[in-house]
Amino acid sequence: DAKTTQPNSMESNEEEPVHLPCNHSTISGTDYIHWYRQLPSQGPEYVIHGLTSNVNNRMASLAIAEDRKSSTLILHRATLRDAAVYYCILRGIQGAQKLVFGQGTRLTINP
Amino acid sequence: DVKVTQSSRYLVKRTGEKVFLECVQDMDHENMFWYRQDPGLGLRLIYFSYDVKMKEKGDIPEGYSVSREKKERFSLILESASTNQTSMYLCASSQSAGRGEQYFGPGTRLTVT
Repeated sequence: DAKTTQPNSMESNEEEPVHLPCNHSTISGTDYIHWYRQLPSQGPEYVIHGLTSNVNNRMASLAIAEDRKSSTLILHRATLRDAAVYYCILRGIQGAQKLVFGQGTRLTINP
Repeated sequence: DVKVTQSSRYLVKRTGEKVFLECVQDMDHENMFWYRQDPGLGLRLIYFSYDVKMKEKGDIPEGYSVSREKKERFSLILESASTNQTSMYLCASSQSAGRGEQYFGPGTRLTVT
């Protein structure tokens, strides 16, 4: 199974951009890259996903390296409500849908 | 609003008891998942189902079984609860493999004493 690697923790300031990296060097050609986050005492929440091209939505942007071996979740202006654990996940399109979860990055936002 | 609900937020059971955790989704999703989450270990997949009566083992199926008799409902069963099954249990559902998001329930914090 393809694995992801993320830093254990990151810290940023409110209203500044945040770049959360994820390495997935053994990704297969059909794996989608998903990002989720989990606020304290809540279930994970979907943030964004992509395959090859960069993606934007109202929550964040996803930048995918050309070789797809890494990706970066970008929060353009962090708020205190963005403090959470962020998970980078690979999701297959066929077969048994084995999901592989990294340990996640705990993001702290300073006021 | 899309919704995944779990039968209990908090549950306390004794060692050896049979435990049922139920999950219901209202989005007509094909795929449903059970995870457990433990400090320092992240999310781990226990079982998933891609259709009614179909199931696949995840990474840590030992000590668990599942049932999916209806599309909207996915149950996790602990036949004989043990203290090492104390954990946060999370249910999720998704429409299609590889695309789209998974929607998670609020979680059930199970304590086995």
